[in-house]
Formats: sequence, C-alpha cells, structure tokens
Amino acid sequence: NAGVTQTPKFRILKIGQSMTLQCTQDMNHNYMYWYRQDPGMGLKLIYYSVGAGITDKGEVPNGYNVSRSTTEDFPLRLELAAPSQTSVYFCASSGLAGVNEQFFGPGTRLTVL
Amino acid sequence: QQQVKQSPQSLIVQKGGISIINCAYENTAFDYFPWYQQFPGKGPALLIAIRPDVSEKKEGRFTISFNKSAKQFSLHIMDSQPGDSATYFCAATPRGANNLFFGTGTRLTVIP
Repeated sequence: NAGVTQTPKFRILKIGQSMTLQCTQDMNHNYMYWYRQDPGMGLKLIYYSVGAGITDKGEVPNGYNVSRSTTEDFPLRLELAAPSQTSVYFCASSGLAGVNEQFFGPGTRLTVL
Repeated sequence: QQQVKQSPQSLIVQKGGISIINCAYENTAFDYFPWYQQFPGKGPALLIAIRPDVSEKKEGRFTISFNKSAKQFSLHIMDSQPGDSATYFCAATPRGANNLFFGTGTRLTVIP
C-alpha cells in the first residue's frame, strides 16, 4: 500500500497561471480532503469529499476547485494563481464516517511569484 | 477565526523531561480531539486521540488530559527524547463530521 500520494512535490508558478495538484489514495477511503499549511497558521481545510461525485467547501475554498470522479483520486485545481496561494498543500483521506483518523500525503510545496 | 487555540508556539525541553502542549476550544459540538505529529518535509500523522467521555488517555509516553468543563485538552510527553522533536498539532472534529479543525502547531525541540 502506498497510502496517499501527491504530485508534484514542488512547483513554482507565475501569477495568473493554472495548475492541478494530484492526489491518489489506495486505501479505498470514502473521505478525502485538501488542506493548506502556512507558517504559524496550522492546517486549513480547503475542500473535502465524502465520496465519488460529492464535494464540499472547507474553511478557505476561494481560488480553488476540486472534482471527485473516482474513489481514488481527488485533484485540486488552481485557476489563476496568486501570491497568497503560496503554501504547502496536503491531501488526506479517511475511512467510513466515525473512523476519524486521517492519513496525509507528503505534501506539495507551491510558490507563486 | 481560530477554532482551536494552541500554545506554546515553540517549546525546548531537555532529554528526559516532560513536554506539555495545551489547547482550548469553544465549540461544544466538538467530540473528537486528536493530536498529530509532523516531522520536517512530511505530512502530519495521528499520534493519539481522545473523546470527551474520558478525562485521560495514555499510550506509551504520550498522554492526553481532557477537561470538558474548561474546554481544554493537553498533550504530555513523558521522558522526552530527541526523536520526539517535531511539530505537534491539536485538532478537533464536530459531532457527526470528519472535518478536522487544527490548532496552529507547537514546534518541540528536545535537547540531548
């Protein structure tokens, strides 16, 4: 089992560019999440999904979009990158409702210049 | 608005000492309180968790103390080791949900 994998590990974008952060899990988890981590701020939830075809906003969704066409994949899309989106992005997954442990991927460090 | 408040921001402890990290919350709908450990360059990983029906949970050298009336919980690391040097996050989940609200993190350094 690879767990939760994320690509790329690092990326530098110019202002206004777009990109997709990829996330895949092989644990057959229903729940998947995207967080961003900024120094001194902890992790903030961007979007989450409770199953294929179902997504919902978290605390900080502005500037991002997600889709969930399969159980395994949960990509995060940045349409018009801004310097405020410079952060480390983590994808996570968890099993059935009530089983709360979230398993995190290794993260993607994104810089917008 | 930070739903879970965590302190201190950083902590330096001698090897063998006790590390204590504190968290507080306001939302009474929270009913699951995990602690995550994060090493540099890695994603967070679950360390230990507690539900509000107990006041303490111990796993090895790690103990969560929970005070429901004060809406506070803390992580105690006994006999702290250099390998415990990491960033620790408390978190909370509302009843019936899986979303985690994280504290701002505590960077722990254990000096040999």
